[in-house]
Amino acid sequence: EAGVTQFPSHSVIEKGQTVTLRCDPISGHDNLYWYRRVMGKEIKFLLHFVKESKQDESGMPNNRFLAERTGGTYSTLKVQPAELEDSGVYFCASSQDWAGVENQPQHFGDGTRLSIL
Amino acid sequence: GENVEQHPSTLSVQEGDSAVIKCTYSDSASNYFPWYKQELGKRPQLIIDIRSNVGEKKDQRIAVTLNKTAKHFSLHITETQPEDSAVYFCAAKEASNTGKLIFGQGTTLQVKP
Repeated sequence: EAGVTQFPSHSVIEKGQTVTLRCDPISGHDNLYWYRRVMGKEIKFLLHFVKESKQDESGMPNNRFLAERTGGTYSTLKVQPAELEDSGVYFCASSQDWAGVENQPQHFGDGTRLSIL
Repeated sequence: GENVEQHPSTLSVQEGDSAVIKCTYSDSASNYFPWYKQELGKRPQLIIDIRSNVGEKKDQRIAVTLNKTAKHFSLHITETQPEDSAVYFCAAKEASNTGKLIFGQGTTLQVKP
């Protein structure tokens, strides 16, 4: 079974530019999550999709961040315009909570290391 | 909302010794507590998890204990090996209609050969 895949693995852009990160969850996983780890700090939740719907976007920092999951398969996270404080590692995770069986493990991708210059 | 505190931030042990990492959480309604291991430059890997209906779970050299009354849970690694060296994160699933995990600050474990 292929794991969660993220693209690109690294991205270096200048302040004010736009970057789009992509996440392909494990096939069949309805739940898709985005997290971010800023250097040396904890992993912080950004948002949660159930299929194509945003279940919880309480962790999104501001309106410069836009996440989509059209068709309920892969997801994109766009940052526009990027600011210095957006630097960090962006992780995607997926899980499949079966009806009546909650709290299935979240499987993480390798992350995208985003550097804003 | 949920808040998770993790200690210690760094831990150095001799190969073969045990390592213990402790976490506390604030929301008594939280019911799922996973532990992740992240090696340098790699993805966080789930190593063990525990649900609130059990007090302890073991998998070979790794065990997790949960004290719901005190709202804390701990990771125990026995017979540590150099390959156990990594950053370990505890997390608690927020008790709401979301899969949001709230992570602790991480513990850098170094196992010296």
